[in-house]
Amino acid sequence: DAGVIQSPRHEVTEMGQEVTLRCKPISGHNSLFWYRQTMMRGLELLIYFNNNVPIDDSGMPEDRFSAKMPNASFSTLKIQPSEPRDSAVYFCASRNQGAGGANVLTFGAGSRLTVL
Amino acid sequence: ILNVEQSPQSLHVQEGDSTNFTCSFPSSNFYALHWYRWETAKSPEALFVMTLNGDEKKKGRISATLNTKEGYSYLYIKGSQPEDSATYLCVPTLAGSARQLTFGSGTQLTVLP
Repeated sequence: DAGVIQSPRHEVTEMGQEVTLRCKPISGHNSLFWYRQTMMRGLELLIYFNNNVPIDDSGMPEDRFSAKMPNASFSTLKIQPSEPRDSAVYFCASRNQGAGGANVLTFGAGSRLTVL
Repeated sequence: ILNVEQSPQSLHVQEGDSTNFTCSFPSSNFYALHWYRWETAKSPEALFVMTLNGDEKKKGRISATLNTKEGYSYLYIKGSQPEDSATYLCVPTLAGSARQLTFGSGTQLTVLP
């Protein structure tokens, strides 16, 4: 298994531009999570999906952020328009929801975003 | 969002020392506790999942215990090595909110050679 695959690994963009981050979860996992790592707030949960359905997006900072999961093998996190304060590492993680909270998350390598 | 406290926030130990940290969480409606290890410039990796009061888990030199009645878990590292340097995160989930995994700030361990 290739694990959770995220792309791009690094992105540098200018303020105002649209940014799309992509994630392919582990095959068979039915829950997908988007996290953001910042110095101030550590690892912050943005949104998670269960069976492709968004369950809780209360962590999404504002309307500039949106996430979709059109099928079980692909999710996107979009920022439009991007701002310098969005600069962070964005992690995608997946797990098999199964019996509930006992199944661990497997993280992707992260996408490092720099907004100039 | 769960009120999770990890202590200490950071820790420096000498190679060969044994050490431990604490994770405190609400004890009511407990479902499971995850421990993750997060090395700098890498992704968090799962260490343990613990569900039962009195659980003890071990992986090499690292072990963890769980007390669900009083709401805490300890992580122990025996004979610390420089490669143990990382941030250790605990993530509890409660019944009814088992799907959401919210991380605390963790304990940052530095093992000095």
